[in-house]
Amino acid sequence: AQSVSQHNHHVILSEAASLELGCNYSYGGTVNLFWYVQYPGQHLQLLLKYFSGDPLVKGIKGFEAEFIKSKFSFNLRKPSVQWSDTAEYFCAVKGTYKYIFGTGTRLKVLA
Amino acid sequence: DAGVTQSPTHLIKTRGQQVTLRCSPKSGHDTVSWYQQALGQGPQFIFQYYEEEERQRGNFPDRFSGHQFPNYSSELNVNALLLGDSALYLCASSPYTGELFFGEGSRLTVL
Repeated sequence: AQSVSQHNHHVILSEAASLELGCNYSYGGTVNLFWYVQYPGQHLQLLLKYFSGDPLVKGIKGFEAEFIKSKFSFNLRKPSVQWSDTAEYFCAVKGTYKYIFGTGTRLKVLA
Repeated sequence: DAGVTQSPTHLIKTRGQQVTLRCSPKSGHDTVSWYQQALGQGPQFIFQYYEEEERQRGNFPDRFSGHQFPNYSSELNVNALLLGDSALYLCASSPYTGELFFGEGSRLTVL
């Protein structure tokens, strides 16, 4: 079955702390992976994507993610978070047409 | 450049009623997908429309139907509303690359 698991449901960090959000997927075909972010009161926005090539992908606002095929993982990282990173983060895998999303991780950054 | 627009933003219905939600895709996008996001969950795929045809459908009952118009805008219809249909309904449009661009959603409350 196709699925995406995000094990951290709620994360609280202080500003300048490092961030890593876990994402594991189960999908049998060619893997296209995404991280989306939803800031308070805003719509879902694309943070970064992996289609092929370099497994370390860089996105907006200093975020990056690493695709590790052997671990079926696509973890999101940021070396130093800011208060403005407070948001909900969703990992997703793209099927033929549909996207399969994880349940999301709520990140709260304390100033 | 207008993004994805959805209407209405909020609505309240009673059980058994019918609802129609509307979506205008981002300029240049010809594909529209609909997702349901229940509280505390990630978006769940309802269906996708391309060239006015339903191209793929998720695990939703026939009470959920849709339409795409020649100008690429789309409607989602839900008949015989149940309490469990209360959710945020997200429309996303895509260019040929397949990336999703989301609207702000229509929040449906069924009483």
